[in-house]
Amino acid sequence: DGGITQSPKYLFRKEGQNVTLSCEQNLNHDAMYWYRQDPGQGLRLIYYSQIVNDFQKGDIAEGYSVSREKKESFPLTVTSAQKNPTAFYLCASSMMAGYQPQHFGDGTRLSIL
Amino acid sequence: SQQGEEDPQALSIQEGENATMNCSYKTSINNLQWYRQNSGRGLVHLILIRSNEREKHSGRLRVTLDTSKKSSSLLITASRAADTASYFCAPINTDKLIFGTGTRLQVFP
Repeated sequence: DGGITQSPKYLFRKEGQNVTLSCEQNLNHDAMYWYRQDPGQGLRLIYYSQIVNDFQKGDIAEGYSVSREKKESFPLTVTSAQKNPTAFYLCASSMMAGYQPQHFGDGTRLSIL
Repeated sequence: SQQGEEDPQALSIQEGENATMNCSYKTSINNLQWYRQNSGRGLVHLILIRSNEREKHSGRLRVTLDTSKKSSSLLITASRAADTASYFCAPINTDKLIFGTGTRLQVFP
């Protein structure tokens, strides 16, 4: 089955530690996205990538970094500079950036120890 | 980029009733999408309506779009307990979706 796989489902971070969230898709989609969702809130865009080796900042990129070395993969690193990282992180992909429907993974819930 | 604002924030109904959710936005759009999110899961795309369309149906879903009022509505007919979820609209005029805070729908059996 085609889809998006996010791992791990739950992640705990110690103070001052960087953690990396995995996102893999086998839909052959060009565009990929990372969102952050806080309790009772909508989604806020962190980073997005329209093609391999290229990505753009979203609305809340500070304290996060990404890479897009392969079409299938778009990992997100939450750095120690992100002071409030506890949230639900969602990865998505679409055939092209912009107007196409996005397909979402089932998220990674990050908590601080 | 622009954000859709959903209304109401929360809605509780009995199974079999219809549920209507509204979305307003501020600038011109190319299309508008509706998504559903079950608790603790990712979003699922429901329907896309283009700016030159006024109404679209998909199963028990009916979406309308009024570009003159900059608003859209999502109607779920004959609701089921499994429809319990949050629903988000995403108006689009650039290369990004901007989601609002959603409508939380609770359908009681």
